[in-house]
Amino acid sequence: DAMVIQNPRYQVTQFGKPVTLSCSQTLNHNVMYWYQQKSSQAPKLLFHYYDKDFNNEADTPDNFQSRRPNTSFCFLDIRSPGLGDAAMYLCATSKTGGTGANVLTFGAGSRLTVL
Amino acid sequence: AQSVTQLDSHVSVSEGTPVLLRCNYSSSYSPSLFWYVQHPNKGLQLLLKYTSAATLVKGINGFEAEFKKSETSFHLTKPSAHMSDAAEYFCVVSPFTNAGKSTFGDGTTLTVKP
Repeated sequence: DAMVIQNPRYQVTQFGKPVTLSCSQTLNHNVMYWYQQKSSQAPKLLFHYYDKDFNNEADTPDNFQSRRPNTSFCFLDIRSPGLGDAAMYLCATSKTGGTGANVLTFGAGSRLTVL
Repeated sequence: AQSVTQLDSHVSVSEGTPVLLRCNYSSSYSPSLFWYVQHPNKGLQLLLKYTSAATLVKGINGFEAEFKKSETSFHLTKPSAHMSDAAEYFCVVSPFTNAGKSTFGDGTTLTVKP
């Protein structure tokens, strides 16, 4: 089945130690998103790639970076995680044309714990 | 501009009874509307979507929602709750052509009692 796969599902890191979360998709969607979701809250968009074009949300901290080396993969880098960065990180995809356009498809998420 | 209000942060029902999760929206254009479900430690799964076709939308697992423009509502219903329906539900509004501008409601936690 076509899907969005996130790795790792659970990541534990130490305060200040860089972390990379990955997302891959077999849907061939041209848009990929990273959301941060804290406990009992709605997902918050950090940034997204429209094809190769990077779009950062205005309030996304500089500590968060992203890479999209090709259509299928996208990475979230947290350069110096703080305790406040502990959250579920959700990758999502969408396409901009055809049937089912502009519908978000989510991965299962990567839960980050910062010690 | 757009916004979403989920009117109940928590809803509790007994198994086999109807479910109603309420969502009101505001939008300066014709929106797309979605309901997503999230089980603990999982991603969000699309339940159903409204994208300017039929106003009564049927989704997965027996859920449906009705788009009422005059009331700016998109309430989610199910005739008979199942234990497996216990989860967090998010109502989402977005411009028809730009999922990147999606606005999420704060979520409704559905509890199903045996």
